[in-house]
Amino acid sequence: NAGVTQTPKFRILKIGQSMTLQCTQDMNHNYMYWYRQDPGMGLKLIYYSVGAGITDKGEVPNGYNVSRSTTEDFPLRLELAAPSQTSVYFCASSTADGSYGYTFGSGTRLTVV
Amino acid sequence: GDSVTQMEGPVTLSEEAFLTINCTYTATGYPSLFWYVQYPGEGLQLLLKATKADDKGSNKGFEATYRKETTSFHLEKGSVQVSDSAVYFCALSVGGGANSKLTFGKGITLSVRP
Repeated sequence: NAGVTQTPKFRILKIGQSMTLQCTQDMNHNYMYWYRQDPGMGLKLIYYSVGAGITDKGEVPNGYNVSRSTTEDFPLRLELAAPSQTSVYFCASSTADGSYGYTFGSGTRLTVV
Repeated sequence: GDSVTQMEGPVTLSEEAFLTINCTYTATGYPSLFWYVQYPGEGLQLLLKATKADDKGSNKGFEATYRKETTSFHLEKGSVQVSDSAVYFCALSVGGGANSKLTFGKGITLSVRP
């Protein structure tokens, strides 16, 4: 099983550029999440989705957008990249009750210069 | 709100040493508790979990017991190996459905030297 797949693995953006981080899962999980990981800060929730067509903001949503047109895919969009968005981004998925934990992708390391 | 507090790091140990990583939590409901591990250059992997008080989660020689009275979920291993070098995150989730989002601690880096 592929689990959760993220692309790209690395990316360098210039300030003001836009990009989409891709995330797809093959476990038929309804719940999907985007986190960012900054050194010494743990993981912060950006957006999450409880099913196709439903998304909601997490702790740090500013500067990002998401969509969920299918159960499998949950892309994260950066419209106007800023240096503060330099981070490692993780996508994850879970079953509805969450008691079995999340399955994480391998991450996207983004640098904005 | 819900929160997880982990002991400050990093932690450096010699191989075969005993490991304890402290984790305490604050939650408005009755949480499920987790330990995740992140090896260098990889995403997080679920290490172990416990869903009710006094439950003990265990995996790969690691153990943690859900202590409701002290709101703690400390991670232990009797004899660490170099391959255990990684970042360890304690996390909780409360309720099901839309409330099942994980809240993470800041993580602690463990380095094990031969």
